[in-house]
Amino acid sequence: TAGITQAPTSQILAAGRSMTLRCTQDMRHNAMYWYRQDLGLGLRLIHYSNTAGTTGKGEVPDGYSVSRANTDDFPLTLASAVPSQTSVYFCASSENQGVGNEQFFGPGTRLTVL
Amino acid sequence: QKEVEQDPGPLSVPEGAIVSLNCTYSNSAFQYFMWYRQYSRKGPELLMYTYSSGNKEDGRFTAQVDKSSKYISLFIRDSQPSDSATYLCAMTYTNAGKSTFGDGTTLTVKP
Repeated sequence: TAGITQAPTSQILAAGRSMTLRCTQDMRHNAMYWYRQDLGLGLRLIHYSNTAGTTGKGEVPDGYSVSRANTDDFPLTLASAVPSQTSVYFCASSENQGVGNEQFFGPGTRLTVL
Repeated sequence: QKEVEQDPGPLSVPEGAIVSLNCTYSNSAFQYFMWYRQYSRKGPELLMYTYSSGNKEDGRFTAQVDKSSKYISLFIRDSQPSDSATYLCAMTYTNAGKSTFGDGTTLTVKP
């Protein structure tokens, strides 16, 4: 079972360019999440989705957008990248949102914005 | 001030040592406490979770929660080189689902 896949594995992007980070899960989980992980700042939630067709803002949503057209896919888009968006991005999913629902994480995408 | 503070480390211990990893939190609304393990260049994976004060044991790992002190710990007994990783604590409001993570403590267990 693949679990959660993310693409690309890594990317170097020029400032001002747009990019979509892809995330796909095959566990039929209802909830999905996007985090960024930065040294000294830990994991911070960018956006989340409780179920297909709904999304919500996390702790650091500015500069990012998401969509949830179906259960399996949860792409994250940077419309106009800035150097402060250099980070490692993790997608995660859980069966449902709420206490007791374990989050499963993907392998991450390392993004460098120059 | 961050809602969740984690001992920064890094920690380096010899194989077989007992390891203590710790987090404090400021928000008494947190009810659900988790520990994740993250190997280098991998995503975090859930190691243990607990919902109440007290101890929960799973093999060589023990999670301890003290809600009165707003303090949680993860103990690793008989540590192994394969335990070398970054350990993240995380906490959730009851039924909220979205977790707040600590910054992580990097542990190295030397053979």
